[in-house]
Amino acid sequence: DAGVIQSPRHEVTEMGQEVTLRCKPISGHDYLFWYRQTMMRGLELLIYFNNNVPIDDSGMPEDRFSAKMPNASFSTLKIQPSEPRDSAVYFCASSLRGGAEKPQHFGDGTRLSIL
Amino acid sequence: GNSVTQMEGPVTLSEEAFLTINCTYTATGYPSLFWYVQYPGEGLQLLLKATKADDKGSNKGFEATYRKETTSFHLEKGSVQVSDSAVYFCALQTGANNLFFGTGTRLTVIP
Repeated sequence: DAGVIQSPRHEVTEMGQEVTLRCKPISGHDYLFWYRQTMMRGLELLIYFNNNVPIDDSGMPEDRFSAKMPNASFSTLKIQPSEPRDSAVYFCASSLRGGAEKPQHFGDGTRLSIL
Repeated sequence: GNSVTQMEGPVTLSEEAFLTINCTYTATGYPSLFWYVQYPGEGLQLLLKATKADDKGSNKGFEATYRKETTSFHLEKGSVQVSDSAVYFCALQTGANNLFFGTGTRLTVIP
């Protein structure tokens, strides 16, 4: 079975550039989550969707960050303009119907470096 | 609020040693508790879970018991292997879908 697929695996770009991270959830899963992992702050939930609708975006750090889910099989996380402090590993996860009985499945992450 | 506190790492053990990674939590309501494992270059994988007090989660020789009285969910394994080297995250989930993670504990097992 295909798991959560993220692309690219690595992204290096200069400050000020737009960055787009992509995620394909597991087929049939109706919840999608975006996390950020840094040494200083650990794993933080940025935003999550249910049936393609954003439910909680309180973790999105600022207006430079935006996330969309145009259909059930695709989501993007954009940073515009990017800054060095955005450097982190970004994970996408999906789950079926939500709740503890249906745990989240994580992708392998996108390692983002902003120079 | 909701938070998870894990023992600081890194932890280095010899193969076949006993492993304990401590985890305590603070939560509103009655959370579910999880241990996730992250191997190098990969995403997090669910290792085990417990959804109510006194439940024991187990998988691949790892165990953790949901202790409400001590608000703990310590991870144990009786005999670790080199292949268990990874970062382990304790997490809690409340009625919503938010997972709150601890800072992670890096385990290195040496032959």
